[in-house]
Amino acid sequence: DTEVTQTPKHLVMGMTNKKSLKCEQHMGHRAMYWYKQKAKKPPELMFVYSYEKLSINESVPSRFSPECPNSSLLNLHLHALQPEDSALYLCASSQVLASYEQYFGPGTRLTVT
Amino acid sequence: SQQGEEDPQALSIQEGENATMNCSYKTSINNLQWYRQNSGRGLVHLILIRSNEREKHSGRLRVTLDTSKKSSSLLITASRAADTASYFCALNTNAGKSTFGDGTTLTVKP
Repeated sequence: DTEVTQTPKHLVMGMTNKKSLKCEQHMGHRAMYWYKQKAKKPPELMFVYSYEKLSINESVPSRFSPECPNSSLLNLHLHALQPEDSALYLCASSQVLASYEQYFGPGTRLTVT
Repeated sequence: SQQGEEDPQALSIQEGENATMNCSYKTSINNLQWYRQNSGRGLVHLILIRSNEREKHSGRLRVTLDTSKKSSSLLITASRAADTASYFCALNTNAGKSTFGDGTTLTVKP
């Protein structure tokens, strides 16, 4: 199984809502990533987990809160988002940090109203 | 900035022609990777080339890396309509960060 799954595919939320994005992989990868991608732009790294510990936080606002409950799961908790946070949120995993190719999920299309 | 700069930004060719995309960067890297993204979907890994490698092939894809010039190129030979997508280079450092270039949008006309 070389698949990274993400749920939901689409999410519309108001600025006062709390929601979560979920990512799952069963490839035994020990590094997992969250990226944000705006239209016609490259993915921007948000967070990196290595062996279930937060390794990199790219100065992301606290309204985004990552969580890695176990080696297969990665969540992104959302609270009090702004319209400019609307984007495609991509999850990825790799065997270990830095040295290996990343496998990407299909993304969650988030719209903040 | 570690971000790669890709050129051209957009490329339109006929089926059967070759497509070449370039990525330049400014600092040292551990490896460089190329990804493809179909519109609004996740990225698909194409090739990883390490800093001590100069060329790699995968099917119709050929990637070169020149660390002295801090540049890489992706060549797609005998292009097909299904190759229409955005192509990104990603720069990877020992710190575990991946920084993507701005991408090249390739259109292959049937």
